Amino acid sequence: DAGVTQSPTHLIKTRGQQVTLRCSPKSGHDTVSWYQQALGQGPQFIFQYYEEEERQRGNFPDRFSGHQFPNYSSELNVNALLLGDSALYLCASSLTGEWNTEAFFGQGTRLTVV
Amino acid sequence: AQKVTQAQTEISVVEKEDVTLDCVYETRDTTYYLFWYKQPPSGELVFLIRRNSFDEQNEISGRYSWNFQKSTSSFNFTITASQVVDSAVYFCALIGTQGGSEKLVFGKGTKLTVNP
Repeated sequence: DAGVTQSPTHLIKTRGQQVTLRCSPKSGHDTVSWYQQALGQGPQFIFQYYEEEERQRGNFPDRFSGHQFPNYSSELNVNALLLGDSALYLCASSLTGEWNTEAFFGQGTRLTVV
Repeated sequence: AQKVTQAQTEISVVEKEDVTLDCVYETRDTTYYLFWYKQPPSGELVFLIRRNSFDEQNEISGRYSWNFQKSTSSFNFTITASQVVDSAVYFCALIGTQGGSEKLVFGKGTKLTVNP
């Protein structure tokens, strides 16, 4: 059983460009959360998707948007990239309401904005 | 607001030493969950333990042990007889259950280096 998979693994973009990151949750999980981890920091919550809708959002600008598909996979889109968007982007999947179980994380996408 | 503080930014020990990683949390929720994750250089967050707010029993798993004390809002992690493979960044995290929130709030992490 595959765990959480993210693509691509690494990405280099230029300031002002747009980027799309992808996440496939662990089989049986219905909720996908995205986190941004800047160098030397802990992961910061971006938003969470459940039933194809954004359920909760962290303190990130509207340049960050997402989508969840019927098969529960998810995309994170970032528009008008800034140098400060350079970070490791982590996707986590879980079962809604089941916090007596763990959230599974993917290996992340390392985004570099130049 | 919820907050997790890991005051130790970096710790360096020699193999076979015991080491304790500190975690202090803040939450107004009466029901919450605490986690420890390990992040090796590859980047993936590896789940180590989950503890709910109603279970203050300490836990031991091999060389790992956790001490949860609600009175001091702490959830500390001890590695006994450390090994080089324990070198990683360790994160403490909190999730509350009020208001339908299911987001993890992480500390800034403690980088552990175990030298041979």
